[in-house]
Amino acid sequence: DAGVIQSPRHEVTEMGQEVTLRCKPISGHDYLFWYRQTMMRGLELLIYFNNNVPIDDSGMPEDRFSAKMPNASFSTLKIQPSEPRDSAVYFCASSAEKNEQYFGPGTRLTVT
Amino acid sequence: KQEVTQIPAALSVPEGENLVLNCSFTDSAIYNLQWFRQDPGKGLTSLLLIQSSQREQTSGRLNASLDKSSGRSTLYIAASQPGDSATYLCAVDTGRRALTFGSGTRLQVQP
Repeated sequence: DAGVIQSPRHEVTEMGQEVTLRCKPISGHDYLFWYRQTMMRGLELLIYFNNNVPIDDSGMPEDRFSAKMPNASFSTLKIQPSEPRDSAVYFCASSAEKNEQYFGPGTRLTVT
Repeated sequence: KQEVTQIPAALSVPEGENLVLNCSFTDSAIYNLQWFRQDPGKGLTSLLLIQSSQREQTSGRLNASLDKSSGRSTLYIAASQPGDSATYLCAVDTGRRALTFGSGTRLQVQP
């Protein structure tokens, strides 16, 4: 298995632009998670899905953030408009029954 | 609210030494606990998963223990090697699936 796949690996954008991060979970996993990692706050959950349905989005910072999972093999995290404080590494992870979570390589986002 | 603490924040040891990393959590009602390794600029690699009914798990030179009643877990690394240098993260699943992470222990193994 290729593991969790994320794209792009690096994204540099200007404040106010729309940013879309993409994730392909491990085949057969029915849970998908989006996390954000910063030096100040460490790793924090943004949102997670079960069978493509959002279950908990309490970690989404504000309305500028949205996430979708149109099918079992694809999810997006969108930021519109982006701000410098959104600069972070965004990780996607997936899991199955025992909830052993497998992480993707992350997307390093820089908003200038 | 579950809080996870890892001590020490950083550790430097000579190659070959056995070492213990500590993780504590405030709410003992957990579903499982997972240890990860993160190399600089990389994603997280799952090392060991301990379910709430288990006391320990082993994988190669790694052994993780869990004491729910005291809210503690330890990761034991035997015969450390320079390739073990990384940040080690402990994360707790309280049953709502999302993980609560500690801030990590940054390990440096000197050759």
